[in-house]
Amino acid sequence: QQQVKQSPQSLIVQKGGISIINCAYENTAFDYFPWYQQFPGKGPALLIAIRPDVSEKKEGRFTISFNKSAKQFSLHIMDSQPGDSATYFCAASNSGGSNYKLTFGKGTLLTVNP
Amino acid sequence: DTEVTQTPKHLVMGMTNKKSLKCEQHMGHRAMYWYKQKAKKPPELMFVYSYEKLSINESVPSRFSPECPNSSLLNLHLHALQPEDSALYLCASSQVSLAVDTQYFGPGTRLTVL
Repeated sequence: QQQVKQSPQSLIVQKGGISIINCAYENTAFDYFPWYQQFPGKGPALLIAIRPDVSEKKEGRFTISFNKSAKQFSLHIMDSQPGDSATYFCAASNSGGSNYKLTFGKGTLLTVNP
Repeated sequence: DTEVTQTPKHLVMGMTNKKSLKCEQHMGHRAMYWYKQKAKKPPELMFVYSYEKLSINESVPSRFSPECPNSSLLNLHLHALQPEDSALYLCASSQVSLAVDTQYFGPGTRLTVL
């Protein structure tokens, strides 16, 4: 019930291409879905987040698509750049509960080749 | 300023040592968190402090002892650790401890237990 399944585990994209990372969740109480980006030697940083009242959210080259019925959400990185090479974690939480815990996916290592 | 600082950056300790990790934020956040992150894994929540009070302990062994001296500081006291405790220890903070609050992570302390 608390799992968030993330795929792929690793992804190699050419510069200028589109990177797509997918996540699926089981707990229907989840209603907040952030994506974190982590560079080597750094802590994770919030990239973009979505609530289930919208099906898509775009910030610059980063877009989250959300499918509530399928319990899936995905991150699209348009015009991928070498500087986007990092590990990406999707996460989910229940904003209505007393549990402040973010449930993270296992992460995707993205490599963007020049 | 959205910075969370952590000291030291690296720590090597023996199994009989006592050491402390320090975390500081000056964003006026009232929730602070300790996470443990193993290589190529997502962060795992250890403790949550809300308004300087411990609100969540994720069944962490007593050899890890958190302390929140004030709203800006968070310590993690370490004693009699095991080699399997070697990991990146991340501190994070958020406005309050609601699930939808953005958590800002520090760069972490890389801990090696010999």
